[in-house]
This record gives sequence, C-alpha cells and structure tokens, in this order.
Amino acid sequence: EAAVTQSPRSKVAVTGGKVTLSCHQTNNHDYMYWYRQDTGHGLRLIHYSYVADSTEKGDIPDGYKASRPSQENFSLILELASLSQTAVYFCASSWDWGDYEQYFGPGTRLTVL
Amino acid sequence: AQSVTQPDARVTVSEGASLQLRCKYSYSGTPYLFWYVQYPRQGLQLLLKYYSGDPVVQGVNGFEAEFIKSNSSFHLRKASVHWSDSAVYFCAVSPSSNTNKVVFGTGTRLQVLP
Repeated sequence: EAAVTQSPRSKVAVTGGKVTLSCHQTNNHDYMYWYRQDTGHGLRLIHYSYVADSTEKGDIPDGYKASRPSQENFSLILELASLSQTAVYFCASSWDWGDYEQYFGPGTRLTVL
Repeated sequence: AQSVTQPDARVTVSEGASLQLRCKYSYSGTPYLFWYVQYPRQGLQLLLKYYSGDPVVQGVNGFEAEFIKSNSSFHLRKASVHWSDSAVYFCAVSPSSNTNKVVFGTGTRLQVLP
C-alpha cells in the first residue's frame, strides 16, 4: 500500500531558529508536495517537485526552502522560523498531475515560540 | 485562477440522517474535482474524484458527489451517515491543463451525533 511518512510528527521551535521537516514516500511517485494547513485557509501549496534535485515554488513559498535529494525524500526547510509559520504541515505524493490522487502523510504540527 | 468555496465550516447531523456538503468552484473550463476526508490526527484520504463522464460519481463508504457544470458545483452526499463519518471534508479542484497545482477548499467539519 502507498505510504508517505513524515518526521517529526510534532516540533516546537524558537523564533529565528532553523527547522527541517522530512518526508519519505515508498510509492515510487515522481511528484511530491508540501502544504501547510491553517484554520480557515484549508491547505496551501508551499513547494513541489516532479524530479529529484529539482523543486518548484508553490503559492506561498516565502520563508521556506525545499530539497529533493532523491525520488523518495522531500524536505521543507525554514531557515529563520517565525511565529507566523506555526501550522500543520503535510507532505503528499502523486504519480502525475491533473486527475491523479495525492497521497498524504500524517502531518507535522509545528509550533514556533 | 481557480478557487474553491465550501460555505459551511461546520455541519452537525444525527446518525442515520442524510448528508450534503456543499462545494462550489470557480474555473472557466471543466476541472478535475476531488473530495478528500481527514480523520483526526491523520492526513487527507481520497473519497472520490470526477474528471469526465457520468456526473454522479461514487466513492468509498457510501459517499457520492454530483458535478453540475451549470452551477459550478460538486456537492458531496451520503444517504445515511454513521458516527465514524465525523471528520473534516475537503473539496479540491485541479485545472484540466498542464499543471500539477490542486486548490483545496477550507474544509467542512462534520460532526455526527449518536
């Protein structure tokens, strides 16, 4: 069965610190995505990737970087964490774009103090 | 740019009652449409999707949705809900063009009372 895992599942970070969220998928999917979920906003796309060693900006990329070192792994990096980045972050993968289902990880709850 | 509106942030129904969760989208063409469900402390899971053909699509656990192009709607329905259906439901749209961006609605939290 398709699987997307995320680590850590929760994290408390200090303002100005560096945070790395990791995602691993065993689906053999080319596409991977990072979303953030905030109350009242649903899911918003931060970064995505369709091939290793390449990432693309989503709708809200400011303050975030992404890294795709291999097909299976996709990281989200907050170089200088801010209070406004407190949210739940989801990683997802899919075969392709369009009508293809996205498979989501369980999420990472990030609290920036 | 496409957008998705789920006008009801919360819906409460009694077990065994019928359900309709509303979704309207804004897009000039015919998009790909999805409903996802998020159970507590879990990621989103696909319930159903529409991309062409019969406007009524069947999903898992007795859910169905109807694509009405004239109304730009894709409402989710279930004839008889169970307490285990309590979750957050997201409508999503993907343009039927060369893009891999999916736009999600804000979600509807469903509470089913026993």
